[in-house]
Amino acid sequence: NAGVMQNPRHLVRRRGQEARLRCSPMKGHSHVYWYRQLPEEGLKFMVYLQKENIIDESGMPKERFSAEFPKEGPSILRIQQVVRGDSAAYFCASSPPGLAGFAKNIQYFGAGTRLSVL
Amino acid sequence: DAKTTQPTSMDCAEGRAANLPCNHSTISGNEYVYWYRQIHSQGPQYIIHGLKNNETNEMASLIITEDRKSSTLILPHATLRDTAVYYCIVRVPSYNNNDMRFGAGTRLTVKP
Repeated sequence: NAGVMQNPRHLVRRRGQEARLRCSPMKGHSHVYWYRQLPEEGLKFMVYLQKENIIDESGMPKERFSAEFPKEGPSILRIQQVVRGDSAAYFCASSPPGLAGFAKNIQYFGAGTRLSVL
Repeated sequence: DAKTTQPTSMDCAEGRAANLPCNHSTISGNEYVYWYRQIHSQGPQYIIHGLKNNETNEMASLIITEDRKSSTLILPHATLRDTAVYYCIVRVPSYNNNDMRFGAGTRLTVKP
């Protein structure tokens, strides 16, 4: 049973370019979360999605950042016009649907995508 | 969500038990205690969780005080691979707000 898959593992972009980060949740999981970790800091929640719906985006910057989780395919975190301050590790997590998942509130994390903005 | 307080760092000798404390004095009755860890450059890993009873799994034990104002994560026989940042999180599981709020955690260093 494959875990949460994130790609690419490393992404280098120049200022002003777009970054697209992909996350495939664990099989059977329909809830996806994105977190950002700046160097030497803790993880910060960004957005929580279910299939085709954004449930909570309270941690997302208001501009340039967007996320989606389509009916088919991986979840995408998109950063437009990247700036140096966007350089960070971006982690995706997934959890199973239904009462069991909520009651346990256990999230399974991917290995992350390290974005470097030159 | 209740605030948690953890020591910034701890050391432990290899093979000995590592006891990581967490204070959550404002915890409410329906909040669970979760522990995750993050080994350098990897994604966080779930360890264990509990509500009021002590819990044990293949990775660790979780001891929650009777008043639930603090808890201790116990790694019974620490190895070098247990060196990581350990996060204690207090959270009410819900349908519409299911994210984990990570604090600074405790940086555990297991020494040979």
